[in-house]
Amino acid sequence: SQQGEEDPQALSIQEGENATMNCSYKTSINNLQWYRQNSGRGLVHLILIRSNEREKHSGRLRVTLDTSKKSSSLLITASRAADTASYFCATFTSGNTPLVFGKGTRLSVIA
Amino acid sequence: EADIYQTPRYLVIGTGKKITLECSQTMGHDKMYWYQQDPGMELHLIHYSYGVNSTEKGDLSSESTVSRIRTEHFPLTLESARPSHTSQYLCASTVPGPGSTEAFFGQGTRLTVV
Repeated sequence: SQQGEEDPQALSIQEGENATMNCSYKTSINNLQWYRQNSGRGLVHLILIRSNEREKHSGRLRVTLDTSKKSSSLLITASRAADTASYFCATFTSGNTPLVFGKGTRLSVIA
Repeated sequence: EADIYQTPRYLVIGTGKKITLECSQTMGHDKMYWYQQDPGMELHLIHYSYGVNSTEKGDLSSESTVSRIRTEHFPLTLESARPSHTSQYLCASTVPGPGSTEAFFGQGTRLTVV
């Protein structure tokens, strides 16, 4: 069963606006990761946040984690047309468990 | 740029044929995975391996099989392809060690069974 659930399923914004995507999960985690997928390609790792961290930044990306609510958000600031892609959260629990991916958010940035 | 390769990128094949999707990585990663991706984007884990001679089934029931004879190679085989196998198949690997689980993905194989 899927661990993560992204919200919204699809998001369309104008270039320059901020995009926020949310991820909820069910069980305790060791870390949570966000990935990006361009159409028809493999996924690319964006950022990892550990369970003892609350916020992390990487360039125009900001990730927050609320373990009490079992949720995370990904904020892309000053979006560009090139940010158009699908974004997935993935959770790692512990030991040798595999990464479990959510259903993804499809982001369209209109120039 | 991740050193993980999938071949072929696209495959159209007739029902009943046996096919093998190739996945190779040159990073020395012990952990490797196969995901099946729906047209609507959701990824489903179908097989994974934590090292040579280790294979496990994932959450999604699959009629495919895998093998791990060499660290760098993790092929997926369908003995008899059916239209229901039409999908995108993604191979991934992760760095060894606990906690550090960034996954590297191949470009995927888009399979169409007619």
